[in-house]
Amino acid sequence: NAGVTQTPKFRVLKTGQSMTLLCAQDMNHEYMYWYRQDPGMGLRLIHYSVGEGTTAKGEVPDGYNVSRLKKQNFLLGLESAAPSQTSVYFCASSYPSSMGDRFIDEQYFGPGTRLTVT
Amino acid sequence: DQQVKQNSPSLSVQEGRISILNCDYTNSMFDYFLWYKKYPAEGPTFLISISSIKDKNEDGRFTVFLNKSAKHLSLHIVPSQPGDSAVYFCAATGANSKLTFGKGITLSVRP
Repeated sequence: NAGVTQTPKFRVLKTGQSMTLLCAQDMNHEYMYWYRQDPGMGLRLIHYSVGEGTTAKGEVPDGYNVSRLKKQNFLLGLESAAPSQTSVYFCASSYPSSMGDRFIDEQYFGPGTRLTVT
Repeated sequence: DQQVKQNSPSLSVQEGRISILNCDYTNSMFDYFLWYKKYPAEGPTFLISISSIKDKNEDGRFTVFLNKSAKHLSLHIVPSQPGDSAVYFCAATGANSKLTFGKGITLSVRP
């Protein structure tokens, strides 16, 4: 049981290049998320998915696209990388449990991808 | 507009003593709170959580206290151990079930 894995671990891009980050989970979780972590900024939600074939925007979606073609995978794409996208990217997954009339979302994180855009 | 605030960026504590990590929030719609722990080069891992219907939750050496009227929560670690040295993130969620994270606080436990 590998949990949440991310590929690649490190990447350096030139401005304008494109790339895709892959997240995979083997816990049969419905929900998946992409965050970025910048110094002094905490974790900010980029996009998320509540099930196979569905995606939604988070707090900082501009410049990124995502796809969830299979339940276990969540891809984050950068079509034209910019230096402002230099960051550490974390993927997370969860299977929300109910608490009364709503869901509680305890997320499991991958080890992160460190991306540098020059 | 920062809805979850961890105003102290770092904390240093002697091994065996108590560590108290603080977190404030501004959104009154938040009703569930979580603490995550993060070691360098790893992803955050869930530590402990508390619902707004409680004011305390305990798990071994870790206790989280919630003061709803002050919109304040704190994480107590007793006794602190060198292996507790990490970045701790406070997170909150409301009806939309998405987590809002604070900036994190770096805890250093001195042997």
